[in-house]
Formats: sequence, structure tokens, C-alpha cells
Amino acid sequence: GENVEQHPSTLSVQEGDSAVIKCTYSDSASNYFPWYKQELGKRPQLIIDIRSNVGEKKDQRIAVTLNKTAKHFSLHITETQPEDSAVYFCAASIAGTYKYIFGTGTRLKVLA
Amino acid sequence: EAGVAQSPRYKIIEKRQSVAFWCNPISGHATLYWYQQILGQGPKLLIQFQNNGVVDDSQLPKDRFSAERLKGVDSTLKIQPAKLEDSAVYLCASSLGGFGSGYTFGSGTRLTVV
Repeated sequence: GENVEQHPSTLSVQEGDSAVIKCTYSDSASNYFPWYKQELGKRPQLIIDIRSNVGEKKDQRIAVTLNKTAKHFSLHITETQPEDSAVYFCAASIAGTYKYIFGTGTRLKVLA
Repeated sequence: EAGVAQSPRYKIIEKRQSVAFWCNPISGHATLYWYQQILGQGPKLLIQFQNNGVVDDSQLPKDRFSAERLKGVDSTLKIQPAKLEDSAVYLCASSLGGFGSGYTFGSGTRLTVV
């Protein structure tokens, strides 16, 4: 069945450094890739998304890149701040549906 | 806009008891999802509704889980009888349902089965 792998599972960076989280997906027909941020005890919140007809999308300090050939997509956070500390989930759409398969999450810690 | 409302926030029950969770999606969102999030894992889809009809319940353990969405708005998820492995956060999400519609999640119900 469809699968999304996410790496790393934990990531610690110094404040101001960049963080990169990578995901791979198995369904070549997936065409929508959202990223969610989940702070401790809170709901997952959509922070950025990308569609399959675009290779890169940026929103202030966060960006997402997509390589359809390799079935990879990545989240890039620049100039990290302590408030970026959270668990980040990638997801990929299941072709022909409005459902998403989620990755296993990356716990990001930004050290002040 | 108002978010997705869920209740209760927390629930502790003994195994073999029953429990029900409630979700009120964002007004106008036709698609509603229930996800199970076990500690340290990503959300796993249990059931998807489009208006008041079930679109996908292939991952729902139907021998103990049931869900309904009457009148295409609110939804309830029930577990009967509960098992220890059902301990998780149950997230409700809604979306407009079109391509590229990101979900809006509720705050979830944290269930502990003892």
C-alpha cells in the first residue's frame, strides 16, 4: 500500500541555523504534499503545502521542495527560532482521493 | 473562522468499557475525517465522510469501532469494547474536499485505556 517515510525522527539545531526534514513517498500518482506542525499537546497545523506541478514553494522562513522523479519532498526552515520547536509531519495525497498518508514525524528542537 | 471542535479533551476508561467522541467540523466543510494518533507516530486515518456518507472506512476496526455523521455535520466515533491498544489521541479533521484542500484538525481527544 501507499507509504510515506520521514527522516530524521529527531533533529536538534542551534538557534539561527537551518533545519531540513526529508520525506519519500511510494505512490507516483500522489499530487499534493502538505506539511503540519504539532506543538506539544496541540493540534497539527498546516504550515505549507506543495502541488505536484511545482518544484519549490517558499513562505518567509520555510520552504518546501519536491522531486517527483525521485519521489522526495523536503521541508527547509531557515534562521530557526525556539518557537520552531515542535513535531513536524509530512503527508502525501492518495491518488484519486482527498486522503493523506502521514509520515512518522520529526521532533525538532531549536537550542537557544 | 471557528475551528474544528472536539470533545471531550481527555478520557480515561477501563478496558472493555465503551467511549464516544464528538466532532463539529468547520461550517461548510463537506469532508470529515477521524484519525488515530498513537504516541510518537503520525496520524492514521480511521474513516472519511463526504457529507453524511462514508467514503473510506477500510482502516476502521469495525468489530469495535463505529462512526456516524448524521445530517452531514457533526460526527461521533465510538469504541466498544475498548482495548489497551486503543490508547491514543483521536483527531477529527475537516476540509472543503477539493484538490489541495489542507485539513483543519481539531484539538483531539486523548484516550487512556487502563
